[in-house]
Amino acid sequence: QKEVEQDPGPLSVPEGAIVSLNCTYSNSAFQYFMWYRQYSRKGPELLMYTYSSGNKEDGRFTAQVDKSSKYISLFIRDSQPSDSATYLCAMKGAAGGSYIPTFGRGTSLIVHP
Amino acid sequence: DAGVIQSPRHEVTEMGQEVTLRCKPISGHNSLFWYRQTMMRGLELLIYFNNNVPIDDSGMPEDRFSAKMPNASFSTLKIQPSEPRDSAVYFCASSTNNEQFFGPGTRLTVL
Repeated sequence: QKEVEQDPGPLSVPEGAIVSLNCTYSNSAFQYFMWYRQYSRKGPELLMYTYSSGNKEDGRFTAQVDKSSKYISLFIRDSQPSDSATYLCAMKGAAGGSYIPTFGRGTSLIVHP
Repeated sequence: DAGVIQSPRHEVTEMGQEVTLRCKPISGHNSLFWYRQTMMRGLELLIYFNNNVPIDDSGMPEDRFSAKMPNASFSTLKIQPSEPRDSAVYFCASSTNNEQFFGPGTRLTVL
C-alpha cells in the first residue's frame, strides 16, 4: 500500500457541478496537507495548504482534513472548464526546515461546458 | 521573478546517450528538488538539496543518475547512459519553508 492513495480518474463533470476530490493516507505523522493543481504540460502549482484537521475555504475551493479517518478532500463549487486539470494531494509531517511532501498520483478532472 | 527555470523543455535522445537536465531555482530559495513524473508512478522525488548540499538521494533510481548543485542558482541532473525506461517528465522545484514552486518540466524521450 502506498503512503498516499488517490484515484487517478478521470473524473468528468458538467460545468457548474460540485466536485469532490479525495486522498487517503496511512502515516499518522502527517500534519500538513496540500493540494496542487497541474495543467497539461505544466508543473504543479500550490492551490491550498492546511494544517491538521478542519476546513479551509478559498473562493470556490474548500479543503477538508479528517485526521481521525486519515482522509482529505478538496471541494470545488460551481466548477468551470478552466478547472480542468490534474489535482495532486500532498502531505508532510514537519513544518519549515526540510520540505519533503509525499504526493498522491493525482486525479484528472475534466469539466465540460 | 521568472520562477523556476528548466532547460531544455523537450529532449529526444537515443538509448545509451548522455542526457543533462538543467535547473535555475528561484533566487533566495535554499532547497531544490528533482522529481520524475510518469503516468504509472506519478510524481517521484529523486533527490533534494539544502543550501547546495545533497541531503537525500534515496530516490535516485540507480548509478546512471547523478545530480549536482555547484552553486545556489544552478543544478543539473545527468543520466548516463540513458535507457527507454527513463522517458518521463522531470521537474525541478525550489522552496521556502512552506511552499514548493515547480518549474515547467523537461519532457524526456529515450528511443
